Amino acid sequence: AQKVTQAQTEISVVEKEDVTLDCVYETRDTTYYLFWYKQPPSGELVFLIRRNSFDEQNEISGRYSWNFQKSTSSFNFTITASQVVDSAVYFCALTNRGGGFKTIFGAGTRLFVKA
Amino acid sequence: DGGITQSPKYLFRKEGQNVTLSCEQNLNHDAMYWYRQDPGQGLRLIYYSQIVNDFQKGDIAEGYSVSREKKESFPLTVTSAQKNPTAFYLCASSIDGSSGANVLTFGAGSRLTVL
Repeated sequence: AQKVTQAQTEISVVEKEDVTLDCVYETRDTTYYLFWYKQPPSGELVFLIRRNSFDEQNEISGRYSWNFQKSTSSFNFTITASQVVDSAVYFCALTNRGGGFKTIFGAGTRLFVKA
Repeated sequence: DGGITQSPKYLFRKEGQNVTLSCEQNLNHDAMYWYRQDPGQGLRLIYYSQIVNDFQKGDIAEGYSVSREKKESFPLTVTSAQKNPTAFYLCASSIDGSSGANVLTFGAGSRLTVL
């Protein structure tokens, strides 16, 4: 079975604080892909990053960084120096052959960044 | 600009009525998807289509129907058989549906409320 768990339902921070969103996944496949999507108040999900299971190199994109650790089945997302515009719901997701390559989403973490 | 257009953005329905949500894409993507979003439950797959004139049930297909007569269009009908249809509905597409690497592109969603 495949599953994505985002244990943090809501997080509230003050602007300029760093914040980490946790994601833990389950899969028996050795080949899989992990994703993060952002859903701003407008409702449309926007793709942020994709990682395949063979690439554990951490990635940084501006204020965003991702930490992929196969040993703990985690793919955590950190926002450095958060801004009000970062307020959104963030979804971690997984695709794998065992799931027919359909995207499986976590429940999402709602992030509030206060000015 | 290429993208996905969903309409209507808001829809109210009386119990016992069928309603159809529109989804159109001009990205030339082969695969299209319908997701339902409820608070705290992430996105759940209703139906998906990997090619014209073919579609498959997702995890929560009961009470819904779709068609895929054209590559760019994938309408979703919420029937009176759907017990709890009040939700936010998201349409998505990807280049194809046969690879786990595919990134989903989403529309802005349709919010259905049953009165």
